[in-house]
Amino acid sequence: KQEVTQIPAALSVPEGENLVLNCSFTDSAIYNLQWFRQDPGKGLTSLLLIQSSQREQTSGRLNASLDKSSGRSTLYIAASQPGDSATYLCAVLNYGGATNKLIFGTGTLLAVQP
Amino acid sequence: DVKVTQSSRYLVKRTGEKVFLECVQDMDHENMFWYRQDPGLGLRLIYFSYDVKMKEKGDIPEGYSVSREKKERFSLILESASTNQTSMYLCASSFASNYGYTFGSGTRLTVV
Repeated sequence: KQEVTQIPAALSVPEGENLVLNCSFTDSAIYNLQWFRQDPGKGLTSLLLIQSSQREQTSGRLNASLDKSSGRSTLYIAASQPGDSATYLCAVLNYGGATNKLIFGTGTLLAVQP
Repeated sequence: DVKVTQSSRYLVKRTGEKVFLECVQDMDHENMFWYRQDPGLGLRLIYFSYDVKMKEKGDIPEGYSVSREKKERFSLILESASTNQTSMYLCASSFASNYGYTFGSGTRLTVV
């Protein structure tokens, strides 16, 4: 059974710092891995999608890497800003036979202090 | 950009009422999903659909049903709302089975 873990559970950093969020998964049979952002009381916003054949994806100040063989992904945020404060979720799309399933991690709550 | 629209941001309903949560996507996606999100339990899949009039049970379907009469619309139905169904409900869609998901902005449902 696929399990997705995110470390740390919470992180507080001063503005301007570069930071790394970690995601690990137990079953490497995945189609892709997706990073989401969730603001309090809101829905999920997709940040980056990495297909299983890819090693990394970049969007602006965000860079996500994927090492499928070791079951790890990292989300790198450069020059953090208070507006980056949110919960970050990683999710893997598992092979599910007839139906595939998106399995979510536990999330990292990020606070960027001005 | 794909847009997934949930008709209500906040809803308050009484115990025993029949509740409809509506979700519409505008990019011809095949698959649609309903999740609920609760503190400490994360996101849990209720139902999903991979085609019009098709539906599959997720991990926690009890107390819920769904309807997909048109490709762009996926409705979640609480047959008889109970207080333990108070939650944040999130709808999502994807183009095909191995593509990324797009989520709506969520509906915060309170059952009193």
